[in-house]
Amino acid sequence: NAGVMQNPRHLVRRRGQEARLRCSPMKGHSHVYWYRQLPEEGLKFMVYLQKENIIDESGMPKERFSAEFPKEGPSILRIQQVVRGDSAAYFCASSRNGQIAEQYFGPGTRLTVT
Amino acid sequence: KQEVTQIPAALSVPEGENLVLNCSFTDSAIYNLQWFRQDPGKGLTSLLLIQSSQREQTSGRLNASLDKSSGRSTLYIAASQPGDSATYLCAVTLQGGSEKLVFGKGMKLTVNP
Repeated sequence: NAGVMQNPRHLVRRRGQEARLRCSPMKGHSHVYWYRQLPEEGLKFMVYLQKENIIDESGMPKERFSAEFPKEGPSILRIQQVVRGDSAAYFCASSRNGQIAEQYFGPGTRLTVT
Repeated sequence: KQEVTQIPAALSVPEGENLVLNCSFTDSAIYNLQWFRQDPGKGLTSLLLIQSSQREQTSGRLNASLDKSSGRSTLYIAASQPGDSATYLCAVTLQGGSEKLVFGKGMKLTVNP
């Protein structure tokens, strides 16, 4: 049973480019969460999705960031017009059925904006 | 607003010691509390999950306790080994609709041989 998969593991983008981060949840999991870990800071929640629905996006920056979890395929976190401050590790987690369930994390995507 | 605190931020101990890692949270309205381990440059590995109705959970040399009313959890590591060196994070899931985890900043543990 494969764990949560994220790709790419490392991503380098120039300022102004777009970054697309992918997350495939564990088999049987329908809840996906994205978190961001800035250098020297703790993990911060960004967005929580179920298939085809955004449930909670209270942690997402208002501009340039978007997320989706389509009926088929992985969840995508998209960052448009990246800036140096977007450099961070982005982690995806999945769970089977929400609040009472354990969240399992992927290995993360480390985004570097040059 | 829920805040999760882990003190100290770093700990260095000789091999073989029994350790207690502390976590405190300001709002006791939680569904569960989870302890994670993070190795440098890696993702998070879930160690233990305690539901709000439980008092403790055990896995091997690890034991986690939860005192919801006082807003505290401890992770006990027995007979520490160099391989236990990592950053340990605690996180809570809030009641009230949101399923997000609120994390502490972590405690960096170094176990010296």
